[in-house]
Amino acid sequence: AQSVTQLGSHVSVSEGALVLLRCNYSSSVPPYLFWYVQYPNQGLQLLLKYTSAATLVKGINGFEAEFKKSETSFHLTKPSAHMSDAAEYFCAVSADRTSYDKVIFGPGTSLSVIP
Amino acid sequence: EAGVVQSPRYKIIEKKQPVAFWCNPISGHNTLYWYRQNLGQGPELLIRYENEEAVDDSQLPKDRFSAERLKGVDSTLKIQPAELGDSAVYLCASSLEDRGSYEQYFGPGTRLTVT
Repeated sequence: AQSVTQLGSHVSVSEGALVLLRCNYSSSVPPYLFWYVQYPNQGLQLLLKYTSAATLVKGINGFEAEFKKSETSFHLTKPSAHMSDAAEYFCAVSADRTSYDKVIFGPGTSLSVIP
Repeated sequence: EAGVVQSPRYKIIEKKQPVAFWCNPISGHNTLYWYRQNLGQGPELLIRYENEEAVDDSQLPKDRFSAERLKGVDSTLKIQPAELGDSAVYLCASSLEDRGSYEQYFGPGTRLTVT
């Protein structure tokens, strides 16, 4: 079965500093991978997705992620953190290649941005 | 375009009482999902519909949970009777498979507290 791990349930960065949120997945076949963001009292919103095209994926709000098959990783980065980036971030993997719309979510990483 | 609508936003009930949640997906989206999100965790799929057919309900506790999606549009999730452990945020999402999009659009959720 597919699974997702996110190292660090809570990450704090200073405003303007690099944001790095880690995600590793287990999969026997190349998966589809997603990053979602959840602001307080709101639903999840898609940041970006990897669907077997370019390994470096650019998303909204200046975020990007790189698919590394050899490391089974899909880490999320942003060069310069903004106060508005404070939120919960979820990495997700498609359950299998025949059911791309069934995704397994990781436990999430809470990002705090310090002024 | 209106987003996914859920009601109510908050619900407090005593254990053993019934409760129902309603979801109206984005117009035209044929796939609808119900997720449960426990505090500090990622969403976990309860049931997935394609049009009016439940194609994946393997994680739905069928002894107390039920769902329906009449006419393939809006959907209702019911719990009867509720238990203390059912306290969580219940998220509804919808999607339209369009040229490999696979993006799920989430509603704001219903926060259920069982006392």
